[in-house]
Amino acid sequence: QVQLQQWGAGLLKPSETLSLTCGVYGGSISGYYWSWIRQPPGKGLEWIGEISPRGNTKYNPSLKSRVTISVDRSKDQFSLKLNSVTAADTAVYYCARHGGGYYFDNWVQGTLVTVSS
Amino acid sequence: QSALTQTASVSGSPGQSITISCTGTSSDVGGYNYVSWYQQHSGKAPKLMIYDVSNRPSGVSNRFSGSKSGNTASLTISGLQAEDEADYYCTSYTSSGPYVFGTGTKVTVL
Repeated sequence: QVQLQQWGAGLLKPSETLSLTCGVYGGSISGYYWSWIRQPPGKGLEWIGEISPRGNTKYNPSLKSRVTISVDRSKDQFSLKLNSVTAADTAVYYCARHGGGYYFDNWVQGTLVTVSS
Repeated sequence: QSALTQTASVSGSPGQSITISCTGTSSDVGGYNYVSWYQQHSGKAPKLMIYDVSNRPSGVSNRFSGSKSGNTASLTISGLQAEDEADYYCTSYTSSGPYVFGTGTKVTVL
């Protein structure tokens, strides 16, 4: 049973860079697509972007200019960087696995990232 | 890339059936059979309940079923149980996205 675990800074100041890493345990990162998704407090889910088994990326058009997703296959990890954060980026961030199609079948518990001066 | 539209809240008594709708456009829900549904209990991560419009992952109760007509997808919960009280989100592949989520529906078991 593949498990995901993520880590990164939980408190940022405006204009800083959000950086989160998701580790894949009990399985390989290869062969699957992986996404980052976020949820502002009390609000709905927003897809941020994905990375393919070959390392190709796609991003939400509304965040594309600030987002970078990368993968380290040697460590079975993938990462999210979001530049120039503002209070609007305060959210619970999730990493998730695509289940062989256009859906997310395995989610991490999530990390609250707060942006505040 | 606008969010898919869901009814804000739906309620029902134990044993009843309820249906949650998810309305998009021909560029997302109507254009692809790639609608999925997620259940989210308070403070927890979302859980996949339905994928590709009507398929249930292993381990998900057969009380949950999905369908689609035109630009609207639906999730039906039959035999409503107290444990079904949660937020539910749909998502669809979209030509511009590639993913867009719904606005979410709060299900209350009376």
